[in-house]
Amino acid sequence: EAEVAQSPRYKITEKSQAVAFWCDPISGHATLYWYRQILGQGPELLVQFQDESVVDDSQLPKDRFSAERLKGVDSTLKIQPAELGDSAMYLCASSRGQGGSYEQYFGPGTRLTVT
Amino acid sequence: AQKITQTQPGMFVQEKEAVTLDCTYDTSDQSYGLFWYKQPSSGEMIFLIYQGSYDEQNATEGRYSLNFQKARKSANLVISASQLGDSAMYFCAMREGQRTGGKLIFGQGTELSVKP
Repeated sequence: EAEVAQSPRYKITEKSQAVAFWCDPISGHATLYWYRQILGQGPELLVQFQDESVVDDSQLPKDRFSAERLKGVDSTLKIQPAELGDSAMYLCASSRGQGGSYEQYFGPGTRLTVT
Repeated sequence: AQKITQTQPGMFVQEKEAVTLDCTYDTSDQSYGLFWYKQPSSGEMIFLIYQGSYDEQNATEGRYSLNFQKARKSANLVISASQLGDSAMYFCAMREGQRTGGKLIFGQGTELSVKP
């Protein structure tokens, strides 16, 4: 069964350092999402791609976060510099399309701890 | 503004019994979708069930059913015959038509514990 892949699964970094997360969606899924989940809360969208284009990055802290999906397949989310408040689970999801009943398939997530 | 409310931070249920997890939503759109996801301690979000705003029948998927009451703006998840493996966080989520581009708005979650 096809799955969304994410790496690393766990990351510990010191504040002010740079950190990057990688996501490989299910083959053929045009829409890719990055969510951030703070402990005890539901996930919140950071950025959404349709193929290689950004559809929604309204909640992405652009002064320190960046995301790319250069060839419309895999994607990288970067934080530079990391802050203590960035400690969270970063979830990647993909779907065949936007809206409607298209189910979003989630990866295992990257658990980030900033010290 | 669209919003999802889950008022039960934690729930306990005896194995083999049924349990209902509450979810209410707020939206001004006529077209929207409602989802339930399960998140075990490993962290992965697992899709359980979907209900469209125009669906006349309540959605069912195996032991999961969605009690959709449109006028009350509620979309409660019913798990029948609970199993120990059902212990996890459960999130209700909403997508508003096509306008938002497909992003999901999640509630705060309910932690379900199944007792043997």
